[in-house]
Amino acid sequence: QKEVEQNSGPLSVPEGAIASLNCTYSDRGSQSFFWYRQYSGKSPELIMFIYSNGDKEDGRFTAQLNKASQYVSLLIRDSQPSDSATYLCAAEGGKLIFGQGTELSVKP
Amino acid sequence: SQTIHQWPATLVQPVGSPLSLECTVEGTSNPNLYWYRQAAGRGLQLLFYSVGIGQISSEVPQNLSASRPQDRQFILSSKKLLLSDSGFYLCAWTRGNTDTQYFGPGTRLTVL
Repeated sequence: QKEVEQNSGPLSVPEGAIASLNCTYSDRGSQSFFWYRQYSGKSPELIMFIYSNGDKEDGRFTAQLNKASQYVSLLIRDSQPSDSATYLCAAEGGKLIFGQGTELSVKP
Repeated sequence: SQTIHQWPATLVQPVGSPLSLECTVEGTSNPNLYWYRQAAGRGLQLLFYSVGIGQISSEVPQNLSASRPQDRQFILSSKKLLLSDSGFYLCAWTRGNTDTQYFGPGTRLTVL
C-alpha cells in the first residue's frame, strides 16, 4: 500500500526561526510532490509542488526532494505566528496520497 | 481564474437522515473532481473521483455515493447517515491530467 508519512508533531519553533517539516513516501514511482497548509477549521491550500531532485524556493518557503531517499521536506524561513497550521505532504501515486500532516506552532 | 464552491458550509443531521453535498467549479472545463473526508484529527481520505460527466470511481465502499450530472458539478449523497459519517468533506479539482489539486472551502458535517 502506498503511504506518505509525516511526523505529527506538534513542532514548536520561535518566531523568526527556520521550521523544518519532513515527509517520506513509499512509492518509488511517485514523480510529483506537494505541500499544503491547513489552518484549523479550514481547507488545505497549496503552498508548493516539486518534481525534480534538489531545492525549489518560493519566498520564505523551500521544498527539498531526494528521490533516492524517498524524502521530501519543507523549510520555512523567518517563521511567523501566521505560519502556525498543519502542513500536509502529498505524493502522486496514480492519485494523490496524503500524509497525516504535521502541526506547526510558531511562538511569538 | 478558477473558483470552487461547496455548500452548505456546515450541516447538522440526525442519524438515518439523507445527505446531499454539492460542489461546483467555475472558470475551467472538464476538470477532474474529487471528494475527500477528513475526520477530526485525521488525514484526508479519498472517497470518490470523477474524470467526466457520469464517470465516478469509488475508493472506499460505504454508504455514500457520488454523482456528476454536469461537467463542473459534483454531488455527494447518502440515503441514511451514520454517526461515523461525521467529518469535514472537501471537494477538490485538477486540470485534466495535471496532479495539482485545489480544494474547496469544505462542508463540516455533524451526525447526531
